[in-house]
Amino acid sequence: DVVMTQTPVSMSVSLGGQVSISCRSSQSLVHNNGNTYLSWYIQKPSQSPQLLIYKVSNRFSGISDRFSGSGSGTDFTLKISRVEPDDLGVYYCGQGTQYPLTFGSGTKLEIK
Amino acid sequence: EVQLQESGPGLVKPSQSLSLTCSVTGYSITSNYWGWIRKFPGNKMEWIGHISYSGSTSYNPSLKSRISITRDTSKNQFFLQLNSVTTEDTATYYCARYYGYTGGFDYWGQGVMVTVSS
Repeated sequence: DVVMTQTPVSMSVSLGGQVSISCRSSQSLVHNNGNTYLSWYIQKPSQSPQLLIYKVSNRFSGISDRFSGSGSGTDFTLKISRVEPDDLGVYYCGQGTQYPLTFGSGTKLEIK
Repeated sequence: EVQLQESGPGLVKPSQSLSLTCSVTGYSITSNYWGWIRKFPGNKMEWIGHISYSGSTSYNPSLKSRISITRDTSKNQFFLQLNSVTTEDTATYYCARYYGYTGGFDYWGQGVMVTVSS
């Protein structure tokens, strides 16, 4: 299985600040078709997970441009700029390149 | 708008079977992939498996001997059955659409918390 390692486990940020979350995979996430199926999700308190970013850097419908994804191969980063109160929650990376599909262990974002 | 809703018992006894239903509105389950994911107490998330537009299934090998995902296209529903549950199956279970183009789960149900306890 592809192991997804997220860091940090938790972080605290001031409103208006910027954060970066790292996700590393134990194997390359480049699919045979050339695509890299790395996604980012947020689970806000008492809500279901929501897709933020897909294929490394593509924002899902309705997602603010304050969220950006980057990376390649096995190293990926989610950046959140101008942090707002609604951004608090647990962020997950997930891979769709290889079965079984797997997720990172989550990064909890708290607002100072 | 695509909407998913899980239903099923919140409490299951050890060794029994867990059965959940996901009802989908706004999109046909004869397109794309439809999956089950669970989140354990704490933050760990695990993909359970999914059923495709054609009815073929993919399962997590860690659960493969105990799970079955089926569907009823006439009702636009798909189902999860997990056999021989233990306390380690206590989790919140989500159904979600897996969109092959994105390689991600783009629409999720609200989740159902399932406790395995005698």
